[in-house]
Amino acid sequence: EVQLVESGGGLVHPGGSLRLSCAGSGLTVSGNYMNWVRQAPGKGLEWVSIIYSGGRTYYADSVKGRFTISRDNSKNTVYLQMNNVRDEDTAVYYCARAREWELPGAYYYYYMDVWGKGTTVTVSS
Amino acid sequence: DIEMTQSPSSLSASVGDRVTITCRASQSISTYLNWYQQKPGKAPKVLIYAASTLQSGVPSRFTGSGSGTDFTLTISSLQPEDFATYYCQQSYITSLFTFGPGTKVDIK
Repeated sequence: EVQLVESGGGLVHPGGSLRLSCAGSGLTVSGNYMNWVRQAPGKGLEWVSIIYSGGRTYYADSVKGRFTISRDNSKNTVYLQMNNVRDEDTAVYYCARAREWELPGAYYYYYMDVWGKGTTVTVSS
Repeated sequence: DIEMTQSPSSLSASVGDRVTITCRASQSISTYLNWYQQKPGKAPKVLIYAASTLQSGVPSRFTGSGSGTDFTLTISSLQPEDFATYYCQQSYITSLFTFGPGTKVDIK
């Protein structure tokens, strides 16, 4: 069974740091586009970051310069290092695989088909 | 950046109703549009990708259409398990996936 399991959430003070983990099973994180998506309480989904299979990384403007996505291939795990956190970073953080689908004659399509259950981050003094 | 909007933000419907949700992109995204369903306390689940391709295991009452900037998700006959929030997402720029604000479908 393909599965992603997040961990590492908790209570953190503003300005503090936290590292989230996303352990994969049934898939290889290094061979996939792996994402972090968050959802603040009562709000919608917000894409946070992606690490491509080739290793390139990208971030939403709201976290750029503060968060870092990485992976450990030997542990089949993706991480989100959160530094200098703010109140507005309070959210459930989901890890999701963006699956690649090729339409013949067209570019590749990507959609998030595997999600973890999420880990909750609360930023509060 | 590509901005996504959805309408309506919420709707009330009855079991058996036909429901249509609209998603609009701030620039053309061809058919790089996905739809997700999320129930309270659960992770999102993909319903439709590439604007109109039904994800395996998703009931055929869900259909997606559109291209360019305007897209729709239609539920042909609403079932009790369909009461949820629906999000569109552009995948035209994978270095900046963007979700719409969501449409909550609840019971009339």
